Amino acid sequence: EVQLVESGGGLVQPGGSLRLSCAASGFTFSSYEMNWVRQAPGKGLEWISYISRSGNTIYYGDSVKGRFTISRDNAKNSLYLQMNSLRAEDTAVYYCARFNYGDRNDYWGQGTLVTVSS
Amino acid sequence: DIQLTQSPSFLSASVGDRVTITCRASQGISSYLAWYQQKPGKAPKLLIYAASTLQSGVPSRFSGSGSGTEFTLTISSLQPEDFATYYCQQLNSYPFTFGPGTKVDIK
Repeated sequence: EVQLVESGGGLVQPGGSLRLSCAASGFTFSSYEMNWVRQAPGKGLEWISYISRSGNTIYYGDSVKGRFTISRDNAKNSLYLQMNSLRAEDTAVYYCARFNYGDRNDYWGQGTLVTVSS
Repeated sequence: DIQLTQSPSFLSASVGDRVTITCRASQGISSYLAWYQQKPGKAPKLLIYAASTLQSGVPSRFSGSGSGTEFTLTISSLQPEDFATYYCQQLNSYPFTFGPGTKVDIK
């Protein structure tokens, strides 16, 4: 069974940092591209980052570019999101999603809540 | 960036109704469109990919159509478990934008 489990969320002050993790199981992690998607409270979904199978190709949304860093460790079946210079508007549930065949996010984690507040 | 709009943003319907949601892209995206269902407090669930392909395990009352800039999601006979918010997403080019969502509520 495919499982994605996010962790690392919590309360952080503006300007602070946080590192999210996504533990993958039930599939060959190194064979799949991955995405991070977030959802602010009561709002819609926002794609924020993509990473290729090897980690050599990475994309970011404009709202996080230069502040967030996506990475992966295929030996540990894990995806990461390093978030720096956090702002109140980064408050959201963060989801990792498996990106399949270049045209679908077919499995999603349960999400982890990040709250940026003083 | 490619912008997606959805209509309606909200619809009220009854069990058994046929429901259609439209997603429009600001430029052509071929068939690189997916539809997701999201219930409160839960992760999105993939329903349709490549505009019209039903994800494994999704009931056949869900269907998708369209290409280029206009797409539709249809629920042929609305069931109680279908009351949720529906999002489209384009996967033609980065950033992989989502539509603003359509909330389907009980009439």
